[in-house]
Amino acid sequence: EVQLVESGGGLVQPGRSLRLSCATSGFTFDDYAMHWVRQPPGKGLEWVSGITWNSGTIAYADSVKGRFTVSRDNAKNSLHLQMNNLRPEDTAFYYCVKDRGPLHLGEFRFWGQGALVTVSA
Amino acid sequence: EIVLTQSPDTLSLSPGERATVSCRASQSVRGNYLAWHQQKPGQAPRLLISGASNRAPDIPDRFSGSGSETDFTLAISRLEPEDFAVYYCQQYGTSPWTFGQGTKVEI
Repeated sequence: EVQLVESGGGLVQPGRSLRLSCATSGFTFDDYAMHWVRQPPGKGLEWVSGITWNSGTIAYADSVKGRFTVSRDNAKNSLHLQMNNLRPEDTAFYYCVKDRGPLHLGEFRFWGQGALVTVSA
Repeated sequence: EIVLTQSPDTLSLSPGERATVSCRASQSVRGNYLAWHQQKPGQAPRLLISGASNRAPDIPDRFSGSGSETDFTLAISRLEPEDFAVYYCQQYGTSPWTFGQGTKVEI
């Protein structure tokens, strides 16, 4: 059974940093590209970042480019999102999402349960 | 980026009725790489349809997708109580991957 479990969310002040992690199981992690997708409470979905199986291709939404860094550890079956210089508009549930295959296809096959990040003074 | 516009924003129906949700793209979706996701309150989204018309594993056949280029449709033939949720279309033909604003199907 595929499992994606996010951790590291919480309350943080504007301008500070936070690191999200996604622990995965139930599939061969390094066979798949992975993504982060976010959703402000009560609002719609926004793709944030994606990374191919070998970290060879990494992409970001313009809204987070230069502030967020995605990475993966294939030995530990984990995905990470380093978020720096956080802004109130970054407040959202952050979902770890598994792609259909190893490349950056954008086909969001399976979603984790999400971690809430709240940016507020 | 490709903007997806769903209609209607809210659909009020009864169990057993047919639901139809539209998704219009601001430009042609390459390869008809269009997906539909379902989200119930307090839950993560779940993939229903990919490639415009291919049901994901374990998705009941009352869900169907159709369309091409800029106009796509999600249909639910006979609404079950568990189908009342928010539905999002999403294109993955051109990066950045984008979502529609969502359609709430309510009783």
